[in-house]
Amino acid sequence: GAVVSQHPSRVICKSGTSVKIECRSLDFQATTMFWYRQFPKKSLMLMATSNEGSKATYEQGVEKDKFLINHASLTLSTLTVTSAHPEDSSFYICSAQNTGEQYFGPGTRLTVT
Amino acid sequence: DAKTTQPPSMDCAEGRAANLPCNHSTISGNEYVYWYRQIHSQGPQYIIHGLKNNETNEMASLIITEDRKSSTLILPHATLRDTAVYYCIVRVGGGQAGTALIFGKGTTLSVSS
Repeated sequence: GAVVSQHPSRVICKSGTSVKIECRSLDFQATTMFWYRQFPKKSLMLMATSNEGSKATYEQGVEKDKFLINHASLTLSTLTVTSAHPEDSSFYICSAQNTGEQYFGPGTRLTVT
Repeated sequence: DAKTTQPPSMDCAEGRAANLPCNHSTISGNEYVYWYRQIHSQGPQYIIHGLKNNETNEMASLIITEDRKSSTLILPHATLRDTAVYYCIVRVGGGQAGTALIFGKGTTLSVSS
């Protein structure tokens, strides 16, 4: 089946720094990728939809200047959390769409100290 | 908001069938029923999806009522590794370019020996 990877799997950073998370579709081309975040014991919340070669569409309440999304190729999307703060600590999950079906990455655990 | 309603939790004995219900009374004619599961601290895993006919694959069976207002996911012989949160999602898809998956609270299935 389709495989989606994320890197890093875990990251710890200091408050005020920026962190980049990569999402790759390994064996298929994804014209659309999605970014979600998940707080402990909560469900996944959609943050943004990213189409290759165009600007991402952010969900209401998600700051586009804080969560920078780049989808420069059909196999790679990146999420950069800028000026991270402890409240940004969360589990970030990407998914890639292939012929209408969504496949998820393993997630990235971000801890901001 | 999620368009489905699921019980918050269920228990199942190892080796027995797990039947997870889902209500989706406002489903549209072009919306499919998707099931995903999430094992702790991992990305969601696709299980099965269907439009109106019952579906079966190596993981599970999906039974959709004739009026399409509800469905049941069946894990025929549950194992401890099936302990996870199970999400029922309705979405335009099934081979066409679809919108993002929107997750509700899901059902936490606990399989015990």
